[in-house]
Amino acid sequence: SQTIHQWPATLVQPVGSPLSLECTVEGTSNPNLYWYRQAAGRGLQLLFYSVGIGQISSEVPQNLSASRPQDRQFILSSKKLLLSDSGFYLCAGGRALLRTEAFFGQGTRLTVV
Amino acid sequence: QKEVEQNSGPLSVPEGAIASLNCTYSDRGSQSFFWYRQYSGKSPELIMSIYSNGDKEDGRFTAQLNKASQYVSLLIRDSQPSDSATYLCAVIQGSTLGRLYFGRGTQLTVWP
Repeated sequence: SQTIHQWPATLVQPVGSPLSLECTVEGTSNPNLYWYRQAAGRGLQLLFYSVGIGQISSEVPQNLSASRPQDRQFILSSKKLLLSDSGFYLCAGGRALLRTEAFFGQGTRLTVV
Repeated sequence: QKEVEQNSGPLSVPEGAIASLNCTYSDRGSQSFFWYRQYSGKSPELIMSIYSNGDKEDGRFTAQLNKASQYVSLLIRDSQPSDSATYLCAVIQGSTLGRLYFGRGTQLTVWP
């Protein structure tokens, strides 16, 4: 079975500081990987997804970027955080098949102050 | 038109009743459909997946898919207070390989 590791669970960062959130996957190779953001009381906004190493699709143009340096590692970054970047960040992963089921990590609650 | 739409809710049902959650999607080429449950402050948990037209049952949960109508539903029988959560419909869009897109969710409350 697949396990998604995501850390840290909570993070408080000042405006203008950089951000790096890491996600790793266990139990499958060549997974599809996803980053979502959820604002309080809202749905999941797809930020980035990747179907392979070095292949990143961006959904929302903003001051965030994603990278996939290894098969089972997905990193979300920002050079300078904005107040509006606060939210619940979720990494998900699943086997890269048509009928893939994606599983989520525990999430990172980011507060930008 | 939103890509995945869910009945807005919130939905409130008494314990033991059937809860019905609905979802429509815009990409006719979509092939994979999922229901997730999310408790407040937690990450979503996959509860059902469905790929073919018809019904799929798993315990108290039944997912229904109608590709012609671009409609997915989730029925929860014998609802329990522990089922109180937000239910998220998700679709892997057929036009873009791997893109997993979520609806905004329906909040369900089951009262004793």
